[in-house]
Amino acid sequence: KAGVTQTPRYLIKTRGQQVTLSCSPISGHRSVSWYQQTPGQGLQFLFEYFSETQRNKGNFPGRFSGRQFSNSRSEMNVSTLELGDSALYLCASSPTGDGNTIYFGEGSWLTVV
Amino acid sequence: QKEVEQNSGPLSVPEGAIASLNCTYSDRVSQSFFWYRQYSGKSPELIMSIYSNGDKEDGRFTAQLNKASQYVSLLIRDSQPSDSATYLCAVTHNNAGNMLTFGGGTRLMVKP
Repeated sequence: KAGVTQTPRYLIKTRGQQVTLSCSPISGHRSVSWYQQTPGQGLQFLFEYFSETQRNKGNFPGRFSGRQFSNSRSEMNVSTLELGDSALYLCASSPTGDGNTIYFGEGSWLTVV
Repeated sequence: QKEVEQNSGPLSVPEGAIASLNCTYSDRVSQSFFWYRQYSGKSPELIMSIYSNGDKEDGRFTAQLNKASQYVSLLIRDSQPSDSATYLCAVTHNNAGNMLTFGGGTRLMVKP
């Protein structure tokens, strides 16, 4: 069974640009969450989607957005990139929406220059 | 006060010893508790989940939950150098779906 797949794995962007990251959850999983990991702030929750609806949102500015498609695949977008957005962006999937068995993908390493 | 707290370490143990990792949380409505292992440059890997008070064992790993004391721990028996990593404690809350709140992680070093 394939795990959580994230693309691209590595990318470099310039300040002011926007970026879209993609996540394919484990087959059958309906919940997809996104997290940002930085050395200074650790792992922080961005948002969660369940059956195409945003269920929860973390404390991030509106430049961070996401969506989920009918096949459970998800994308997140960051507009007007800042240097501080450089981070590992992790997608996690779960079969249900109630806090059970949450698995992470390998992540997308974003560097903003 | 952070919602989920862990000692950042490093926690250094000799090979073959028991490593004990601890985590406290402040929100009494915390529902589910997870331990993830993260190697440098890699993503978190789920080791254990625990939902009710008591112990849960899986191979060399034992998770312990005490909701009254708001405390969850992870014991690693017969520690191996390959166990050297950062261990992350995470919790979810009632009515908050799969939103994980993470501690800062404890770095474990197992010396041969």
